Amino acid sequence: DIQMTQSPSSLSASVGDRVTITCRPSQSISNSLNWYQQKPGKAPKLLIYAASSLQSGVPSRFSGSGSGTYFTLTISSLQPEDYATYYCQQSYSTPMYTFGQGTKLEIK
Amino acid sequence: EVQLVESGGDLVQPGGSLRLSCAASGFPFSSNAMSWVRQAPGKGLEWVSSISAGGGSTYHADSVKGRFTISRDNSKNTLFLQMHSLRAEDTAVYYCAKDVYRYSYGYFFDYWGQGTLLTVSS
Repeated sequence: DIQMTQSPSSLSASVGDRVTITCRPSQSISNSLNWYQQKPGKAPKLLIYAASSLQSGVPSRFSGSGSGTYFTLTISSLQPEDYATYYCQQSYSTPMYTFGQGTKLEIK
Repeated sequence: EVQLVESGGDLVQPGGSLRLSCAASGFPFSSNAMSWVRQAPGKGLEWVSSISAGGGSTYHADSVKGRFTISRDNSKNTLFLQMHSLRAEDTAVYYCAKDVYRYSYGYFFDYWGQGTLLTVSS
């Protein structure tokens, strides 16, 4: 099974900050990496697919990059509504998907 | 508008059984693979099961293999998860999700339901 490791597990940042979350799979997964945002009590929401493609309707301050065994999700200018937990997901071994453990983002 | 509405969550005793449903609308249900993903209280996301568009291929996580069965009724635009031999560790919110495949972009879940809570406890 492909294991996904996110870092950090949590972080606190101020409105306007640039924030980066990393995701490292246990083996190379090409660009088969997706990012989701989940707010408390809500379903996850797709942000980024195929490592760097922005899902329709998602603000352009979100971006993704990487390939192989190193990926990042960046929020260029943090907004109050970005308080959430972020998950990476590999789809390389579809349909045996695996998710990272999550990164909880708190607004200072 | 795509809608996925789960139902069937309940309080069940260990060893019991339950069937979850997910009613889909707003897209050609019979053309899309579908999945179940769960989230234990305060924990992360765990993929549970997936089924092909026609229903002929099914996949389950090792943690539920032999106990859970995913199925679908394309005539009723409904996805199911039949669960047997339930354990305390199956306690979670269960989400159904719409699978998407785009050439050169791979697979991902573009829509999720609001979830239904299963609690396994005596």
